[in-house]
Amino acid sequence: DAGVIQSPRHEVTEMGQEVTLRCKPISGHDYLFWYRQTMMRGLELLIYFNNNVPIDDSGMPEDRFSAKMPNASFSTLKIQPSEPRDSAVYFCASRNRAGPGGKAGELFFGEGSRLTVL
Amino acid sequence: SQQGEEDPQALSIQEGENATMNCSYKTSINNLQWYRQNSGRGLVHLILIRSNEREKHSGRLRVTLDTSKKSSSLLITASRAADTASYFCATGDTGGFKTIFGAGTRLFVKA
Repeated sequence: DAGVIQSPRHEVTEMGQEVTLRCKPISGHDYLFWYRQTMMRGLELLIYFNNNVPIDDSGMPEDRFSAKMPNASFSTLKIQPSEPRDSAVYFCASRNRAGPGGKAGELFFGEGSRLTVL
Repeated sequence: SQQGEEDPQALSIQEGENATMNCSYKTSINNLQWYRQNSGRGLVHLILIRSNEREKHSGRLRVTLDTSKKSSSLLITASRAADTASYFCATGDTGGFKTIFGAGTRLFVKA
């Protein structure tokens, strides 16, 4: 398996522009997570999906952020409009059901999308 | 929001020495996991310990969990320069679906 695939790896944009980050999870995984990593705040969970349905988006910082998962093999994280404080590395991770009730197990991470907003 | 806090924030040791990293967390958990991140890369899962387990081994890794103290430790024995990376603990909540990460420990192993 190719693992979790994220694109783009690097994005530089200007404040106010729309940014779309993409993720292809590992085939067969039914949980997908978006995390944001910064030096100041570490790794923050933004949102996660189960079977393409958003379950918990309490970590999404503002209405400028939105995430979708139209099918089992694709998810997007969109920022509109972007601001300099959105600069971070955004990670997508997936996992499958692990044990009874699908309790949390090993997460498989992509290589991340490094976003710089000028 | 972060759940765990790692200690120390940074650790520098000589190759061959053991490295110990600690993690404390705040709420009840279903499991605790440790991940490694090389510079500029994604996180890689190392080991998972469930809340009803006290110790677990995997190769040169040893993880302990004390749920009464809400703490865990990761021991890397006979460290190598290639172990240089950041190490994160992550907790699975009792609902079992969310995984929340701590701030991480940066380990530097000198050859």
